[in-house]
Amino acid sequence: SAVISQKPSRDICQRGTSLTIQCQVDSQVTMMFWYRQQPGQSLTLIATANQGSEATYESGFVIDKFPISRPNLTFSTLTVSNMSPEDSSIYLCSGGKGVGTADTQYFGPGTRLTVL
Amino acid sequence: SQQGEEDPQALSIQEGENATMNCSYKTSINNLQWYRQNSGRGLVHLILIRSNEREKHSGRLRVTLDTSKKSSSLLITASRAADTASYFCATDARTGANSKLTFGKGITLSVRP
Repeated sequence: SAVISQKPSRDICQRGTSLTIQCQVDSQVTMMFWYRQQPGQSLTLIATANQGSEATYESGFVIDKFPISRPNLTFSTLTVSNMSPEDSSIYLCSGGKGVGTADTQYFGPGTRLTVL
Repeated sequence: SQQGEEDPQALSIQEGENATMNCSYKTSINNLQWYRQNSGRGLVHLILIRSNEREKHSGRLRVTLDTSKKSSSLLITASRAADTASYFCATDARTGANSKLTFGKGITLSVRP
């Protein structure tokens, strides 16, 4: 298994500002993902964080709005840029050890973001 | 669009009863997984069943998979108040070289003590 930590756990931000969320895994994972979960909703995949290269974004998400870094196998950051109230959500990081398939994913506790 | 669709959307049972949750999906899969999310927390992986498996057990959990009907069920036996949570099915909807899980909308389970 893998233990994943995120920080901050929550934040309240002003419109137009940016927030960077950090995700740390306690062991090496092959794949890392960032999800958004809006209140009472399911998880929506934002992007796959690729080590040492640009993240792979899902439809509807762009790098300018959600820049992602993954400098090594155990660490990744997601920035929510130029925030608006519509960005208020829980942001979840996950890691998987599968190779070539989406095997078991281990999730961080999430970052609860409120944008005023 | 969502790959997995769970039903019912909400389920309320008495402690000690069994809870059955269903998930349907649309495309071929490599595996299907069930996760639990307690309120305001991250997701916890419960069980994974591969496309060539039909049934799997883990403690009080029993998962079935019917690839001909593109459906799965999660049975929790002898439920406890601590089982109260949201449950999500997720399918490995691989496209080309990219692997990712697609989550359903979730089922809210309430277990009354």
